[in-house]
Amino acid sequence: SQKIEQNSEALNIQEGKTATLTCNYTNYSPAYLQWYRQDPGRGPVFLLLIRENEKEKRKERLKVTFDTTLKQSLFHITASQPADSATYLCAPLGDDKIIFGKGTRLHILP
Amino acid sequence: EAQVTQNPRYLITVTGKKLTVTCSQNMNHEYMSWYRQDPGLGLRQIYYSMNVEVTDKGDVPEGYKVSRKEKRNFPLILESPSPNQTSLYFCASSLKDGRSNQPQHFGDGTRLSIL
Repeated sequence: SQKIEQNSEALNIQEGKTATLTCNYTNYSPAYLQWYRQDPGRGPVFLLLIRENEKEKRKERLKVTFDTTLKQSLFHITASQPADSATYLCAPLGDDKIIFGKGTRLHILP
Repeated sequence: EAQVTQNPRYLITVTGKKLTVTCSQNMNHEYMSWYRQDPGLGLRQIYYSMNVEVTDKGDVPEGYKVSRKEKRNFPLILESPSPNQTSLYFCASSLKDGRSNQPQHFGDGTRLSIL
């Protein structure tokens, strides 16, 4: 069955450093991969989408890579700030069902 | 303002008492979906709908029903709720279908407690 793994339950990063989050998937070949941010008690908010034929996508301080050979996406936040603290979810899109990873909680320490 | 609206936001009820959680979107989106979110299990899709009168099961459909009679509304029905359905529920919508490059827009969530 399709499986998505996101690295570690919580990641602590010093303010100003780059945070890197990992999303690995198995048993399917998604055409797209989306990243969302979720704050406690709130619904996820879309951040970035990357297509299978794109290696990298950027938006302000965010960068996403997509390696279909490794079946992996990396999500980077550069010059991290305490306001970036949240849970980040990845969602590889392969068919009509949508499966989310369990998310990585990111804490940016001042 | 473009939004997905869920009601109620909070509900405490008892086992076996039928309930409906409403979801409405004002963006003319074809695709709508319900998720539940539980600690340690993440966000799991319950049901989705590609368009009016078209619904399909997600990963955890047992104990739930949905309907899509109008494009904007996608209610979630618990015919006989049980305590294991205590959870945080989210409705979401997006343009076209799940393979589209359009992002999902989520509601603010409904916290259900079944005693």
